[in-house]
Amino acid sequence: GESVGLHLPTLSVQEGDNSIINCAYSNSASDYFIWYKQESGKGPQFIIDIRSNMDKRQGQRVTVLLNKTVKHLSLQIAATQPGDSAVYFCAEIVGGYQKVTFGIGTKLQVIP
Amino acid sequence: NAGVTQTPKFRVLKTGQSMTLLCAQDMNHEYMYWYRQDPGMGLRLIHYSVGEGTTAKGEVPDGYNVSRLKKQNFLLGLESAAPSQTSVYFCASSPWTGENPEQYFGPGTRLTVT
Repeated sequence: GESVGLHLPTLSVQEGDNSIINCAYSNSASDYFIWYKQESGKGPQFIIDIRSNMDKRQGQRVTVLLNKTVKHLSLQIAATQPGDSAVYFCAEIVGGYQKVTFGIGTKLQVIP
Repeated sequence: NAGVTQTPKFRVLKTGQSMTLLCAQDMNHEYMYWYRQDPGMGLRLIHYSVGEGTTAKGEVPDGYNVSRLKKQNFLLGLESAAPSQTSVYFCASSPWTGENPEQYFGPGTRLTVT
């Protein structure tokens, strides 16, 4: 079946550097893509979303890029901080909001 | 504004026992969801509701039942718990206006079935 996946299960970055977390998807019919952050012992927290008709969206210190040609989604975090350490996962929404498919997640470790 | 709350936070059950997980939201959201999260598998949708009095099956509904008698509450029931239902359960709600797909998650319930 079609699914959302991640290239890297663990990413270690130096504090202050930029982080890039990648996500591959296979369903070209997805309407929205969302990035969530999950800290240990907590529920997922919305970071940013992007519609399928956009290729870039910026938030506070975060940028999401969507490349529909290669079905690739990325989350860029500028000036990574220790508080950014968490599991990040992407999700895609296909054919109506009920059908949300989550990836397995990438663990981001920030080295002080 | 408490957001999404879940009770209990932890629970240990023996095989065959039953229990109900309660989810409550105070944001007046129409949509509510129950997910389970297992290592290496991400979040999987169990059941969801698009409004008071309505429920629908998600990706992994077997062994679970739900009810949405009040808009603010979404209950997840396990009639006869099995070890395969050991997991962390998350509830979420969403306004889903067509412009904002964000789901608001609760803190989770860690369930162990022995």
